[in-house]
Amino acid sequence: KAGVTQTPRYLIKTRGQQVTLSCSPISGHRSVSWYQQTPGQGLQFLFEYFSETQRNKGNFPGRFSGRQFSNSRSEMNVSTLELGDSALYLCASNSGGRSTDTQYFGPGTRLTVL
Amino acid sequence: AQSVTQLDSHVSVSEGTPVLLRCNYSSSYSPSLFWYVQHPNKGLQLLLKYTSAATLVKGINGFEAEFKKSETSFHLTKPSAHMSDAAEYFCVVSGRVNTGTASKLTFGTGTRLQVTL
Repeated sequence: KAGVTQTPRYLIKTRGQQVTLSCSPISGHRSVSWYQQTPGQGLQFLFEYFSETQRNKGNFPGRFSGRQFSNSRSEMNVSTLELGDSALYLCASNSGGRSTDTQYFGPGTRLTVL
Repeated sequence: AQSVTQLDSHVSVSEGTPVLLRCNYSSSYSPSLFWYVQHPNKGLQLLLKYTSAATLVKGINGFEAEFKKSETSFHLTKPSAHMSDAAEYFCVVSGRVNTGTASKLTFGTGTRLQVTL
């Protein structure tokens, strides 16, 4: 089975712009979660989508949004970028979202905001 | 709410010596616990997971962890370190199913393992 793929792998944007990141989960997985990783805050949960519905959300401002398509692919959007949004954004997929399920992570998208 | 505390931000060992990475957890229910590893500029890879079955969990690459409820610990060990083990290690707890947060992972702050010759 192919793993979780994320595109693009690297992005450079300037403050005020918006960005869209894409994640394709493992085939058959219906849950996709997004995480932000920064040196200062570590790994933080952004949100989770299951069958096209946002099922859980972390403590991030409304500038961060996402969606999931019928084929389980997910996109994450950040509007009005700030310097502090520079981070590695990781996507994870799992089959059903149970606490015992393993989450499989993609390689991440490294976003740099100038 | 659940949380994990990784007691060491940095651990340095010599190649061939044992590895111990410490993790304590806090949870009001029976947790599912995981250890993930992250190599530089890479995503996260699952090493092992505990899901209320055997308390001693064996993972990939010779790693294992023991769930100790009385100590609320889930320390990661390996008998003999290899240079390729140098990476960042994260102790992780997952959410509670009936609150709809099952897929939400809470990460520790990470332990950077350095392996020297």
